[in-house]
Amino acid sequence: QKEVEQDPGPLSVPEGAIVSLNCTYSNSAFQYFMWYRQYSRKGPELLMYTYSSGNKEDGRFTAQVDKSSKYISLFIRDSQPSDSATYLCAMSSNSGGYQKVTFGTGTKLQVIP
Amino acid sequence: EADIYQTPRYLVIGTGKKITLECSQTMGHDKMYWYQQDPGMELHLIHYSYGVNSTEKGDLSSESTVSRIRTEHFPLTLESARPSHTSQYLCASTLLGRGNEQFFGPGTRLTVL
Repeated sequence: QKEVEQDPGPLSVPEGAIVSLNCTYSNSAFQYFMWYRQYSRKGPELLMYTYSSGNKEDGRFTAQVDKSSKYISLFIRDSQPSDSATYLCAMSSNSGGYQKVTFGTGTKLQVIP
Repeated sequence: EADIYQTPRYLVIGTGKKITLECSQTMGHDKMYWYQQDPGMELHLIHYSYGVNSTEKGDLSSESTVSRIRTEHFPLTLESARPSHTSQYLCASTLLGRGNEQFFGPGTRLTVL
């Protein structure tokens, strides 16, 4: 079983829709939770970064962490065609001096004008 | 956009050739990483470095080697390329103590015939 599970999609939504992207994980030691966005033929870029449980909002993006259910979500409000990309969840725990980051496989999102 | 560069962006090469993938960053970051990314798969860490003259193997076994002679430069070398090395190679960097906030380069798409 993978430590991090993410639905690969593709997810296709109309412009203006609310998008919900999700990941589940099995390692209860994970404390830090990230969402990266990767455009086609580009490297991932950090979008959201949260520590422990709760919500974090940044513009149209909200990251939500539920450690009791081992479930994290990224919500995109008023989705735009420019949001079309692959979204990777990532998480980590402090393990000695080396902070290992475990990535999900990514969900491909397409926002249709 | 992050100041981390990878060359070449695309490389098609025959079996048995020696290749070096270049990665440079101008942000003064101490930590640098090499990941392998295949379609539908999570990013796999193959090498990382905490600083000059420090290199470690990652989770995914790789026949490649790396060096870190200068802070800004972290090249990856394959002595004898094989078709199984065909993949997307991503370089990333971050500041010490901020291992979750990684800045990625655009990647090198390697195809070994």
